[in-house]
This record gives sequence, C-alpha cells and structure tokens, in this order.
Amino acid sequence: EAQVTQNPRYLITVTGKKLTVTCSQNMNHEYMSWYRQDPGLGLRQIYYSMNVEVTDKGDVPEGYKVSRKEKRNFPLILESPSPNQTSLYFCASTRQGANEKLFFGSGTQLSVL
Amino acid sequence: DAKTTQPTSMDCAEGRAANLPCNHSTISGNEYVYWYRQIHSQGPQYIIHGLKNNETNEMASLIITEDRKSSTLILPHATLRDTAVYYCIVRVAIYRNTGFQKLVFGTGTRLLVSP
Repeated sequence: EAQVTQNPRYLITVTGKKLTVTCSQNMNHEYMSWYRQDPGLGLRQIYYSMNVEVTDKGDVPEGYKVSRKEKRNFPLILESPSPNQTSLYFCASTRQGANEKLFFGSGTQLSVL
Repeated sequence: DAKTTQPTSMDCAEGRAANLPCNHSTISGNEYVYWYRQIHSQGPQYIIHGLKNNETNEMASLIITEDRKSSTLILPHATLRDTAVYYCIVRVAIYRNTGFQKLVFGTGTRLLVSP
C-alpha cells in the first residue's frame, strides 16, 4: 500500500532534549516536506526536499533541521526543543511534476514541556 | 510565490451543495490548483486538482475561472462527514527549467455541515 509513515504518533519531551521525528515513504517520490499545524494558523511549511541531498527552508525553519540521505526517508530533527515547538507535525511526499498528488502522513503530536 | 486566500469558515445544510471559493490571483500559467481536506487532526486528504478546465470526480467538482485567478470547490450534496477544514493549494514552479515546485497552502476554510 502506498503510504507515508511518520513515527511516533505522540511524543512528550522536555526543553532542550534532542529528538527526531521519522518520515518514510514507499512510493519513490522525489519531493518530501514537513509542515507544522497550530490552531488558527493552518499548515505552515518547515522544510522541503526536492531530492536526495537537496533541501531548502520553508516558511518556519527556525529551530529545525532535516536531512535527506536516502530517497525514502526525511527525518525532522529538533536539536534543542522549546515549548513553542509544541505542535502537530505532518510529513508529505509527491513526485516532481505539476500534475501529481501530495500524500500526507498521519501526523505527530509533539508536546515540549 | 503564488498565494491563496480562502474564507475562514462556511456553513452548509446537509444535502445542499457546498461551494468553497479560493483566490489565487498570482498563479502562473502552468501551476495547478489542488484541494485537500482535513478532518479533525488527521493527515490532509486529497480531493481534486486542475489546471484550466473544470474537473469532476466522485468526491467533488472544481470550477476554475477563465483567467485562473480563482476557483471553487463544489461538494454537490454535503453530508455531516464533509465537516472539515478545506485547503486550496497551488504548486508553484520555483526553478522553471527543472520542473521543481513548492507547495503553497492557503489558510483553509472550516466547513460545518449541519442537519
């Protein structure tokens, strides 16, 4: 089954403790992206990647890192989480090409205490 | 970047058509318009997309104006299960010779379908 898999689904951590949220897709998609969603603010893009070793900042990249060493994986790294990073996070992937659907993961609810 | 604007919320009676507008006045000629919806805190779900022509599938219809500056998503017979946040998205070409795009989300319209 074609899917984008995020882990974990829920994560509670403390300020300053490094964490990684994993994202994997099994559709051989070139494009992958991370979004955060906060009440009243909709989906905001954090980082995106157009292919292996090609990443770029989205609209709200501060406090986040990403890597794209393999085509299928696009982890989101919080080196020193802070409470303002408490949010619902989504990973998404798609093929390059204007006529391609975007597939979303089921989300990761992160709470930073 | 081409940006989209949508109304914050809309109401619709069950069984009636829901018409959700989106403005994308800076869209370029080869950039598609996509619609997704999000129910509660689930991952957004694809509904439909189009370039110039009107499109229809089993979920909805998409009407794009001739100048492509706006579009309307139509749910022909809304049900309670259609209550969700609906996002209008434009795929913006950022490196035109390579075909790479960036996806730009609107703020979404919260549709409430009532009995």
